[in-house]
Parts: sequence; structure tokens; C-alpha cells
Amino acid sequence: DGGITQSPKYLFRKEGQNVTLSCEQNLNHDAMYWYRQDPGQGLRLIYYSQIVNDFQKGDIAEGYSVSREKKESFPLTVTSAQKNPTAFYLCASSTLADTDTQYFGPGTRLTVL
Amino acid sequence: GQNIDQPTEMTATEGAIVQINCTYQTSGFNGLFWYQQHAGEAPTFLSYNVLDGLEEKGRFSSFLSRSKGYSYLLLKELQMKDSASYLCAVKDSNYQLIWGAGTKLIIKP
Repeated sequence: DGGITQSPKYLFRKEGQNVTLSCEQNLNHDAMYWYRQDPGQGLRLIYYSQIVNDFQKGDIAEGYSVSREKKESFPLTVTSAQKNPTAFYLCASSTLADTDTQYFGPGTRLTVL
Repeated sequence: GQNIDQPTEMTATEGAIVQINCTYQTSGFNGLFWYQQHAGEAPTFLSYNVLDGLEEKGRFSSFLSRSKGYSYLLLKELQMKDSASYLCAVKDSNYQLIWGAGTKLIIKP
């Protein structure tokens, strides 16, 4: 079955610690995206990548970092510099020909204690 | 600034019809999307409108008026499983998706 996986579903970390959220897809999509979702707000784009070894900042990249060493994988690191890291994080992917249709992973809920 | 407005929450009865509105002010327009998101899960694609008019897909229909900056999602023959949040998103002139906060739809028996 093709799809996007994110793990873990729930993640707890102490304040001041870096944490990496995984995102893997086997849809052979070139483009991958990371969004953050907070209650009462729309999804906000953190980073996106259209090709291996290249990525672009989204609207709220500060305090986050990403890598794209493989086409299938786009991990997101939430650093200690991120002021309010507690949120629901969604990874998505799409083909370059049809970036309109994004397929989302199940999400990771990060809680910083 | 760019803005997408949707009602925060709506309630409807099983078997009925509900219309969820979305108004937008964005720098340019390259399409409007509706997604369904059950609590704690990923959004799933419902519809895409780029031209004015109504797009029908089974029990769900989506309407767009570009001159009014307005769209609605119409859900017919409501089922309990339709209880979810419905997200409106617009692709702007830079082909970036601008997302609304979503409308939480509660279906009562």
C-alpha cells in the first residue's frame, strides 16, 4: 500500500530538548511539505522540498530544520529555539506536476512539558 | 494581508443538508480546495474549484464565485461519520496554499 507515514503519533519532550519527527512516503512523490496546526488556526507551512538535497522555508521556519537526503524521507527537527513547539505536525507530499493535490500523513502531536 | 474566513463550528441533524461557507482575501487566486479532517487525523482531499460554478461529487458539492471571493461546501444526506472539521484553502498568486482555521461540523442523531 502506498502512503505517507509519520511516527510517532504522540511525542512528549522536555523544554530545551531538540526533537526529530519522521516522515516517509512511498508514493514516489518529488515534493514534500511540513505543516503545523494549532487550535483555531489554519495549517501553516514550515518547510517544503521539491527535490533531494534542496528545501525552502515556509511561513514559520524559525526554530525548525529539515533535511532531504532521500526522496522518500523528509524529517523535521524542532529545536530548542522554537518558542511554542507544542502543536500537531502534519507532513504531506505531492507530485511536481500536481502540487494542488497534497496527500497528508496521520500527523504527530508534539507536547513539550 | 491574506485571510480565509470560515465559521468556527456548525451543528446539523443526521439526514439533513448543511452548507459551510468560506470567504477569502488573497493576493491572487489559483484555486480553492476543501479538505475533511477527523479529529487527530490527517486532512483528506474533498474538492477543488478554479472556475466559477458548482462541482458535484456524490453527497458533497462545492461552489465558487471568484468575483465575490466566496465558496461553499454543501453536504447532503448527512451521516454521523461526516462529523469532522472542514478546511478551506486557497492557492495564491505564488501558488502557496493559504489555509482557513476550519469549521467543526457536529452531526446530531
